[in-house]
Amino acid sequence: DGGITQSPKYLFRKEGQNVTLSCEQNLNHDAMYWYRQDPGQGLRLIYYSQIVNDFQKGDIAEGYSVSREKKESFPLTVTSAQKNPTAFYLCASSMRGTSGRHEQFFGPGTRLTVL
Amino acid sequence: RKEVEQDPGPFNVPEGATVAFNCTYSNSASQSFFWYRQDCRKEPKLLMSVYSSGNEDGRFTAQLNRASQYISLLIRDSKLSDSATYLCVVCMNSGGYQKVTFGIGTKLQVIP
Repeated sequence: DGGITQSPKYLFRKEGQNVTLSCEQNLNHDAMYWYRQDPGQGLRLIYYSQIVNDFQKGDIAEGYSVSREKKESFPLTVTSAQKNPTAFYLCASSMRGTSGRHEQFFGPGTRLTVL
Repeated sequence: RKEVEQDPGPFNVPEGATVAFNCTYSNSASQSFFWYRQDCRKEPKLLMSVYSSGNEDGRFTAQLNRASQYISLLIRDSKLSDSATYLCVVCMNSGGYQKVTFGIGTKLQVIP
């Protein structure tokens, strides 16, 4: 079955630690995205990648880093520089295109809590 | 003004009722529109695309009004299982990349 997987589902970390969230897709999608969702707020874009070895900052990239070494994988690192990292993190993918007509498919999310 | 605006609700409706949500968007260059459904503590899932001529999928009807820059979602004969948050999504081409903007979502609670 094609889809997007994220791991782990729940993650706890201490302040000052970096942590990497995994996102893998087997949909053969070129474009991948990372969002965070906070209670009472919509999804906010952290980073996106349209193709392997290329990625761009979204609206709230500070304190985060990504890599895109393989088409299937787009890991997100939450660094200690992120001031308020506790949130629900969602990874998504879509076909690449500029027509604006490609819907995004989401992974199940990782719920990160900083203790 | 927010790029995509939705009434967060909650909308509390009895089973069998008809309920409608609206969503307004600010950029007239927006190209495509979607409704997603998000259950509590889960990921958003595509409910339906919204086409210019309007489209229907079972009990769900989506409409687009480009002149007034809003889209709507109508749910007929509400079921308990329709209880969820409904996200309005607006997409457009921006500098060679597909810019996707999510609304805050409208929460629906269907009551027995």
